[in-house]
Amino acid sequence: SQQGEEDPQALSIQEGENATMNCSYKTSINNLQWYRQNSGRGLVHLILIRSNEREKHSGRLRVTLDTSKKSSSLLITASRAADTASYFCATEDNNAGNMLTFGGGTRLMVKP
Amino acid sequence: AAGVIQSPRHLIKEKRETATLKCYPIPRHDTVYWYQQGPGQDPQFLISFYEKMQSDKGSIPDRFSAQQFSDYHSELNMSSLELGDSALYFCASSASGQPQHFGDGTRLSIL
Repeated sequence: SQQGEEDPQALSIQEGENATMNCSYKTSINNLQWYRQNSGRGLVHLILIRSNEREKHSGRLRVTLDTSKKSSSLLITASRAADTASYFCATEDNNAGNMLTFGGGTRLMVKP
Repeated sequence: AAGVIQSPRHLIKEKRETATLKCYPIPRHDTVYWYQQGPGQDPQFLISFYEKMQSDKGSIPDRFSAQQFSDYHSELNMSSLELGDSALYFCASSASGQPQHFGDGTRLSIL
């Protein structure tokens, strides 16, 4: 079953702009991860943030985690046309082994 | 670097037929996962194996079964296929405590 919601469901921006995607979840988690998926392709792992972390950076990516609100955000700075893809958050729950529970995904389109 | 290999990439079947999807995990990864992603949907966890033993079970129908073999490759067996089984099926693998790496998936179409 779906863990939570992603917001927005679709986002269209111009190259060079920043893109922010939000994710909410429902359970107690070990970590939260963000994945990228190009159309019809596999999911590529972007970044993992543990439940005791509040912010993490990787290149042009910045992830925040607020466990009190059960929410996370992914910021992509200085976007490029090649960033066009769907972005999913996924959680590893405390009591559910290592399986991932995915959110609904945000479809990002970056226009050149 | 070696990635997760899935075969076939595309598969077309008719209702009530059977299908077998294969997954070859990244070498030295000890856990294999299967996910199903319907059209426009988020991936849903089906089942996982740790060191060739089933470890977790998700929303996998009784018509489906899976196993992991001595060489660590895994197969997802699907019987009595229904139209609603049309989806992308992903395999992922991981080493202990590390993120999951996904294959490119098998696109299964049921006619």
